[in-house]
Amino acid sequence: KQEVTQIPAALSVPEGENLVLNCSFTDSAIYNLQWFRQDPGKGLTSLLLIQSSQREQTSGRLNASLDKSSGRSTLYIAASQPGDSATYLCAVSTSGSRLTFGEGTQLTVNP
Amino acid sequence: GAVVSQHPSRVICKSGTSVKIECRSLDFQATTMFWYRQFPKQSLMLMATSNEGSKATYEQGVEKDKFLINHASLTLSTLTVTSAHPEDSSFYICSASGLAGGIQETQYFGPGTRLLVL
Repeated sequence: KQEVTQIPAALSVPEGENLVLNCSFTDSAIYNLQWFRQDPGKGLTSLLLIQSSQREQTSGRLNASLDKSSGRSTLYIAASQPGDSATYLCAVSTSGSRLTFGEGTQLTVNP
Repeated sequence: GAVVSQHPSRVICKSGTSVKIECRSLDFQATTMFWYRQFPKQSLMLMATSNEGSKATYEQGVEKDKFLINHASLTLSTLTVTSAHPEDSSFYICSASGLAGGIQETQYFGPGTRLLVL
């Protein structure tokens, strides 16, 4: 059974700092890995999707890497802003389009 | 990206009543819809997967008679929480995905429905 773990559970940083969120998964037989953002009481916004054959994806200040063999992914956020404050969820896709989510990292960026 | 809506966004009901939540794909045909539940400060837990025109597949531990799922069209799936109790209070999120060239596409998530059972 696939298990996804995210570290740290919570993170508080001053504005402008670069930061890294970590995600690990137990079964390396994945189709893809996705990072989502969730604001309080809201649904999910997809940030980046990395296919199993890819090593990384970039979008603006966000960069996600994938090391499938070791079961790890990182989400790098450059020059963090208060508007980046949210919960960041990592999810892996195994059979078909089934997603298994981690418990998330709650990020607070202080002005 | 594709848009998925949910209705209602928030519902409060008395214990013992049934509540229906709708999930719609607004600009694409969703061959598969997923229903998740999220408790406070926890992650999303998949409840069931529904394919248009067929019965839903429920995850282990999810009561299919309590959480009725209907996926009668390619743009609409409903989740009915029957005889709701306070422990059913949660945030319910749906997602939808379609087929492109025979390959299942990524899931697009709805905004969620907050259910509070008194």
